[in-house]
Amino acid sequence: GESVGLHLPTLSVQEGDNSIINCAYSNSASDYFIWYKQESGKGPQFIIDIRSNMDKRQGQRVTVLLNKTVKHLSLQIAATQPGDSAVYFCAEYEAAGNKLTFGGGTRVLVKP
Amino acid sequence: ETGVTQSPTHLIKTRGQQVTLRCSSQSGHNTVSWYQQALGQGPQFIFQYYREEENGRGNFPPRFSGLQFPNYSSELNVNALELDDSALYLCASGRGGGTDTQYFGPGTRLTVL
Repeated sequence: GESVGLHLPTLSVQEGDNSIINCAYSNSASDYFIWYKQESGKGPQFIIDIRSNMDKRQGQRVTVLLNKTVKHLSLQIAATQPGDSAVYFCAEYEAAGNKLTFGGGTRVLVKP
Repeated sequence: ETGVTQSPTHLIKTRGQQVTLRCSSQSGHNTVSWYQQALGQGPQFIFQYYREEENGRGNFPPRFSGLQFPNYSSELNVNALELDDSALYLCASGRGGGTDTQYFGPGTRLTVL
Protein backbone atom coordinates (compact mmCIF):
# COMPACT_ATOMS: atom_id res chain seq x y z
CA GLY A 1 0.00 0.00 0.00
CA GLU A 2 0.88 3.67 -0.18
CA SER A 3 3.30 4.86 2.45
CA VAL A 4 2.26 8.29 3.61
CA GLY A 5 4.61 9.01 6.49
CA LEU A 6 8.22 8.11 5.74
CA HIS A 7 9.80 10.92 7.77
CA LEU A 8 7.06 11.98 10.15
CA PRO A 9 7.36 12.38 13.91
CA THR A 10 6.18 9.18 15.56
CA LEU A 11 4.17 8.61 18.70
CA SER A 12 4.42 5.09 20.12
CA VAL A 13 1.69 4.19 22.57
CA GLN A 14 0.74 1.05 24.42
CA GLU A 15 -2.63 -0.45 23.55
CA GLY A 16 -5.21 0.77 26.05
CA ASP A 17 -3.32 3.94 26.95
CA ASN A 18 -4.44 7.42 25.95
CA SER A 19 -2.75 9.23 23.06
CA ILE A 20 -2.25 12.94 22.62
CA ILE A 21 -1.29 14.35 19.24
CA ASN A 22 -0.32 17.99 19.00
CA CYS A 23 -0.46 20.49 16.17
CA ALA A 24 0.60 24.11 15.85
CA TYR A 25 -1.25 26.25 13.33
CA SER A 26 -0.38 29.58 11.82
CA ASN A 27 -3.50 31.27 10.47
CA SER A 28 -5.42 33.27 13.05
CA ALA A 29 -8.22 33.76 10.53
CA SER A 30 -9.02 30.05 10.26
CA ASP A 31 -12.72 29.35 10.84
CA TYR A 32 -12.44 25.80 11.93
CA PHE A 33 -9.95 23.00 12.46
CA ILE A 34 -10.16 19.36 11.54
CA TRP A 35 -8.32 16.17 12.41
CA TYR A 36 -7.87 13.49 9.76
CA LYS A 37 -6.56 9.94 10.01
CA GLN A 38 -4.74 8.41 7.06
CA GLU A 39 -3.98 4.72 6.83
CA SER A 40 -1.55 3.28 4.34
CA GLY A 41 -3.06 3.10 0.87
CA LYS A 42 -6.07 5.24 1.75
CA GLY A 43 -7.13 8.84 1.60
CA PRO A 44 -7.50 10.95 4.76
CA GLN A 45 -10.52 10.07 6.88
CA PHE A 46 -12.40 12.74 8.85
CA ILE A 47 -12.22 12.23 12.62
CA ILE A 48 -13.53 15.38 14.29
CA ASP A 49 -13.63 19.13 13.78
CA ILE A 50 -13.91 22.18 16.00
CA ARG A 51 -15.00 25.72 15.20
CA SER A 52 -12.71 28.60 16.05
CA ASN A 53 -15.14 29.93 18.68
CA MET A 54 -14.90 26.72 20.71
CA ASP A 55 -12.10 25.37 22.88
CA LYS A 56 -13.15 21.75 23.30
CA ARG A 57 -15.19 19.19 21.47
CA GLN A 58 -15.70 15.53 22.20
CA GLY A 59 -16.51 12.63 19.95
CA GLN A 60 -16.47 8.91 20.33
CA ARG A 61 -13.16 8.16 22.13
CA VAL A 62 -11.67 11.40 20.78
CA THR A 63 -11.43 14.93 22.16
CA VAL A 64 -10.09 17.96 20.34
CA LEU A 65 -8.76 20.95 22.26
CA LEU A 66 -8.15 24.35 20.72
CA ASN A 67 -5.96 27.02 22.33
CA LYS A 68 -6.16 30.11 20.16
CA THR A 69 -3.84 32.10 22.43
CA VAL A 70 -0.87 29.94 21.47
CA LYS A 71 -2.34 28.63 18.18
CA HIS A 72 -2.28 25.06 19.36
CA LEU A 73 -4.58 22.16 18.57
CA SER A 74 -4.53 18.70 20.10
CA LEU A 75 -6.29 15.40 19.55
CA GLN A 76 -6.73 13.04 22.46
CA ILE A 77 -7.58 9.41 21.76
CA ALA A 78 -8.84 7.42 24.73
CA ALA A 79 -7.99 3.74 25.18
CA THR A 80 -5.90 3.57 22.01
CA GLN A 81 -6.48 0.46 19.91
CA PRO A 82 -4.37 -1.25 17.22
CA GLY A 83 -6.77 0.10 14.60
CA ASP A 84 -5.76 3.62 15.62
CA SER A 85 -2.30 3.09 14.10
CA ALA A 86 -2.10 5.58 11.24
CA VAL A 87 -0.81 9.02 10.30
CA TYR A 88 -2.83 11.86 11.81
CA PHE A 89 -3.08 15.28 10.20
CA CYS A 90 -4.51 18.48 11.55
CA ALA A 91 -6.00 20.88 9.02
CA GLU A 92 -7.30 24.42 9.18
CA TYR A 93 -10.06 25.89 7.04
CA GLU A 94 -10.48 29.53 6.12
CA ALA A 95 -13.81 30.42 4.53
CA ALA A 96 -12.49 33.59 2.90
CA GLY A 97 -10.15 31.64 0.64
CA ASN A 98 -12.23 28.46 0.73
CA LYS A 99 -9.02 26.64 1.44
CA LEU A 100 -8.17 23.65 3.62
CA THR A 101 -4.52 23.67 4.77
CA PHE A 102 -2.98 20.53 6.22
CA GLY A 103 -0.23 20.31 8.80
CA GLY A 104 2.73 17.95 8.55
CA GLY A 105 1.26 14.89 10.26
CA THR A 106 2.16 12.55 13.12
CA ARG A 107 2.49 8.78 12.85
CA VAL A 108 0.88 6.86 15.70
CA LEU A 109 2.08 3.32 16.37
CA VAL A 110 0.06 1.25 18.83
CA LYS A 111 2.01 -1.51 20.56
CA PRO A 112 0.07 -4.60 21.65
CA GLU B 1 -15.05 3.72 3.23
CA THR B 2 -16.29 6.89 1.52
CA GLY B 3 -18.25 6.84 -1.72
CA VAL B 4 -15.49 8.78 -3.51
CA THR B 5 -13.67 6.85 -6.22
CA GLN B 6 -10.61 7.78 -8.25
CA SER B 7 -9.01 6.40 -11.37
CA PRO B 8 -6.50 5.22 -12.25
CA THR B 9 -4.93 3.86 -9.07
CA HIS B 10 -1.39 4.21 -10.35
CA LEU B 11 0.07 5.99 -13.36
CA ILE B 12 3.55 6.44 -14.81
CA LYS B 13 4.32 9.31 -17.17
CA THR B 14 7.44 10.94 -18.54
CA ARG B 15 8.50 14.53 -18.14
CA GLY B 16 6.70 16.89 -20.51
CA GLN B 17 3.65 14.68 -20.97
CA GLN B 18 0.10 15.53 -19.98
CA VAL B 19 -2.10 13.55 -17.58
CA THR B 20 -5.79 13.42 -16.69
CA LEU B 21 -6.96 12.03 -13.37
CA ARG B 22 -10.61 11.29 -12.60
CA CYS B 23 -12.80 11.42 -9.55
CA SER B 24 -16.39 10.41 -8.86
CA SER B 25 -17.97 12.24 -5.96
CA GLN B 26 -20.01 10.72 -3.19
CA SER B 27 -23.74 10.74 -3.96
CA GLY B 28 -25.39 14.01 -2.94
CA HIS B 29 -22.15 16.01 -2.94
CA ASN B 30 -21.72 19.04 -5.18
CA THR B 31 -18.20 20.20 -4.38
CA VAL B 32 -14.97 18.49 -5.30
CA SER B 33 -11.48 19.47 -4.21
CA TRP B 34 -8.14 18.21 -5.43
CA TYR B 35 -5.00 17.83 -3.34
CA GLN B 36 -1.39 16.86 -4.02
CA GLN B 37 0.36 14.78 -1.37
CA ALA B 38 4.11 14.22 -1.60
CA LEU B 39 5.63 11.36 0.37
CA GLY B 40 5.90 12.16 4.06
CA GLN B 41 3.87 15.36 3.80
CA GLY B 42 0.32 16.50 4.29
CA PRO B 43 -1.99 17.06 1.32
CA GLN B 44 -1.68 20.44 -0.40
CA PHE B 45 -4.80 22.12 -1.76
CA ILE B 46 -4.81 22.52 -5.54
CA PHE B 47 -8.34 23.82 -6.19
CA GLN B 48 -12.02 23.27 -5.53
CA TYR B 49 -14.98 23.11 -7.90
CA TYR B 50 -18.52 23.95 -6.88
CA ARG B 51 -21.41 23.70 -9.33
CA GLU B 52 -18.96 23.27 -12.20
CA GLU B 53 -16.95 26.43 -11.48
CA GLU B 54 -13.60 26.90 -9.76
CA ASN B 55 -14.27 28.02 -6.20
CA GLY B 56 -10.84 28.50 -4.64
CA ARG B 57 -7.29 27.71 -5.67
CA GLY B 58 -4.03 26.99 -3.90
CA ASN B 59 -0.50 27.91 -4.97
CA PHE B 60 -0.30 25.75 -8.07
CA PRO B 61 0.65 26.96 -11.57
CA PRO B 62 -1.90 27.22 -14.41
CA ARG B 63 -0.70 23.95 -15.93
CA PHE B 64 -2.84 22.36 -13.19
CA SER B 65 -6.42 22.66 -14.37
CA GLY B 66 -9.70 20.97 -13.69
CA LEU B 67 -13.25 20.34 -14.69
CA GLN B 68 -16.42 19.42 -12.85
CA PHE B 69 -19.22 17.79 -14.80
CA PRO B 70 -23.02 18.07 -14.33
CA ASN B 71 -23.01 14.75 -12.49
CA TYR B 72 -20.40 16.29 -10.11
CA SER B 73 -17.61 13.99 -11.23
CA SER B 74 -14.34 15.78 -11.86
CA GLU B 75 -11.05 15.71 -13.71
CA LEU B 76 -7.63 17.05 -12.81
CA ASN B 77 -5.39 17.82 -15.77
CA VAL B 78 -1.70 18.48 -15.48
CA ASN B 79 0.24 19.67 -18.52
CA ALA B 80 4.00 19.68 -19.13
CA LEU B 81 4.68 17.23 -16.32
CA GLU B 82 7.73 17.79 -14.16
CA LEU B 83 9.58 15.32 -11.94
CA ASP B 84 8.30 17.13 -8.83
CA ASP B 85 4.72 16.40 -9.88
CA SER B 86 5.27 12.84 -8.69
CA ALA B 87 2.85 12.48 -5.79
CA LEU B 88 -0.42 11.03 -4.57
CA TYR B 89 -3.33 13.03 -5.96
CA LEU B 90 -6.41 13.04 -3.78
CA CYS B 91 -9.87 14.26 -4.50
CA ALA B 92 -12.43 15.03 -1.83
CA SER B 93 -16.14 15.72 -2.19
CA GLY B 94 -18.54 17.57 0.04
CA ARG B 95 -21.79 19.52 0.14
CA GLY B 96 -22.01 23.28 -0.08
CA GLY B 97 -19.25 25.72 -0.90
CA GLY B 98 -16.51 24.24 1.24
CA THR B 99 -17.65 24.49 4.84
CA ASP B 100 -18.98 20.98 4.99
CA THR B 101 -16.85 17.95 5.81
CA GLN B 102 -14.80 16.73 2.87
CA TYR B 103 -14.64 13.01 2.15
CA PHE B 104 -11.51 11.75 0.45
CA GLY B 105 -10.99 9.13 -2.19
CA PRO B 106 -8.08 6.67 -2.09
CA GLY B 107 -5.95 8.74 -4.46
CA THR B 108 -4.04 8.25 -7.69
CA ARG B 109 -0.32 7.65 -7.41
CA LEU B 110 1.44 9.54 -10.22
CA THR B 111 5.09 8.86 -10.99
CA VAL B 112 6.89 11.13 -13.45
CA LEU B 113 10.12 9.76 -14.91
